[in-house]
Amino acid sequence: SQQGEEDPQALSIQEGENATMNCSYKTSINNLQWYRQNSGRGLVHLILIRSNEREKHSGRLRVTLDTSKKSSSLLITASRAADTASYFCATDAYNNDMRFGAGTRLTVKP
Amino acid sequence: EPEVTQTPSHQVTQMGQEVILRCVPISNHLYFYWYRQILGQKVEFLVSFYNNEISEKSEIFDDQFSVERPDGSNFTLKIRSTKLEDSAMYFCASSEIGKAGELFFGEGSRLTVL
Repeated sequence: SQQGEEDPQALSIQEGENATMNCSYKTSINNLQWYRQNSGRGLVHLILIRSNEREKHSGRLRVTLDTSKKSSSLLITASRAADTASYFCATDAYNNDMRFGAGTRLTVKP
Repeated sequence: EPEVTQTPSHQVTQMGQEVILRCVPISNHLYFYWYRQILGQKVEFLVSFYNNEISEKSEIFDDQFSVERPDGSNFTLKIRSTKLEDSAMYFCASSEIGKAGELFFGEGSRLTVL
């Protein structure tokens, strides 16, 4: 498919634990982005990683990109109940505008 | 902080009616997008717009859909004859530098077609 596919579809963890979400894609990309969506709200950009980068950090977020495996991961460390949301990866496969996957629904229990 | 605003937040319409969804992108952004999300499902790309013309559209964006930037601030999505399957959340987004940069999304317009 043209867009990234997130895995798992749903993830439930306890507050304080780390959450890891994965994204796989099928063609070469220029950049991959992660977004967050609270229920019923608009998407909020979290982090952008370019194809020549392997890892980026932003606060409690760590994103990795493995272009040989065509995959990315988003790690949220020391999760909080407020991190409960859906997380989407987006890619510019075929040099097209950003396409999103179906997302991972993260639930962080207090 | 600048934001993308969308109106209406919720619209209910009868099948076959025309609907116009409005968006005010961030003022210095040059790239504009519409995405839609059927409840609980993936976010689907509809169309991108740059320099007063469509730059890319998906297979979803058929002849029933059109976009327009009627003035310097608004960006609209028109659905000419709505179908039941058009019921979804429609998100407008804008970007300063296009696909190489982040997208800023509005809060969405929920369209319900009866």
